[in-house]
Amino acid sequence: DQQVKQNSPSLSVQEGRISILNCDYTNSMFDYFLWYKKYPAEGPTFLISISSIKDKNEDGRFTVFLNKSAKHLSLHIVPSQPGDSAVYFCAASAETSYDKVIFGPGTSLSVIP
Amino acid sequence: ETGVTQSPTHLIKTRGQQVTLRCSSQSGHNTVSWYQQALGQGPQFIFQYYREEENGRGNFPPRFSGLQFPNYSSELNVNALELDDSALYLCASSLRTGVTDTQYFGPGTRLTVL
Repeated sequence: DQQVKQNSPSLSVQEGRISILNCDYTNSMFDYFLWYKKYPAEGPTFLISISSIKDKNEDGRFTVFLNKSAKHLSLHIVPSQPGDSAVYFCAASAETSYDKVIFGPGTSLSVIP
Repeated sequence: ETGVTQSPTHLIKTRGQQVTLRCSSQSGHNTVSWYQQALGQGPQFIFQYYREEENGRGNFPPRFSGLQFPNYSSELNVNALELDDSALYLCASSLRTGVTDTQYFGPGTRLTVL
């Protein structure tokens, strides 16, 4: 039973345009959400996070939106750059077990110059 | 400040054998988590160690075990290897200061079981 879903295995976007990566979750106990970026032959790198008490968090070109009622979050990258090409993982954890982070299967983003 | 390192990079074993994977935490970190990433999937939480004690475990059988040492480095041991154990094993370290500690990942060990 996949608690964190990323239904788009891949996404291609033109350089300079917006990239939108989506994530859905099923466990209503999740209250902290993270996005990680992974390049080949490297471990995942933390990108941005959001707590369930917020509906938006921004960090430079990256913005995460959270819709708790729909159990949906999205990562917006504006403007997209070729260096953003990587696999993006959505992850979630619950206050009762912050040590246990549940990852989605990932979305491979290609930013075309 | 050194990052998280893992050894070896790649490893090939046969079914039934035992394997030990190693992880050095980022300087100053006291918590280590291990993840298994199968091809095409996201990392799956195996267990976490905090101050040398297991502190949370995912849905993995007891043949997956670990250790954390006083210098906060860690080992993951897998006994009686099965073909499905073939995966990328990731180690992540963090500093436990609150409820939402950021984890820093190593590059992983690619294990192939034949």
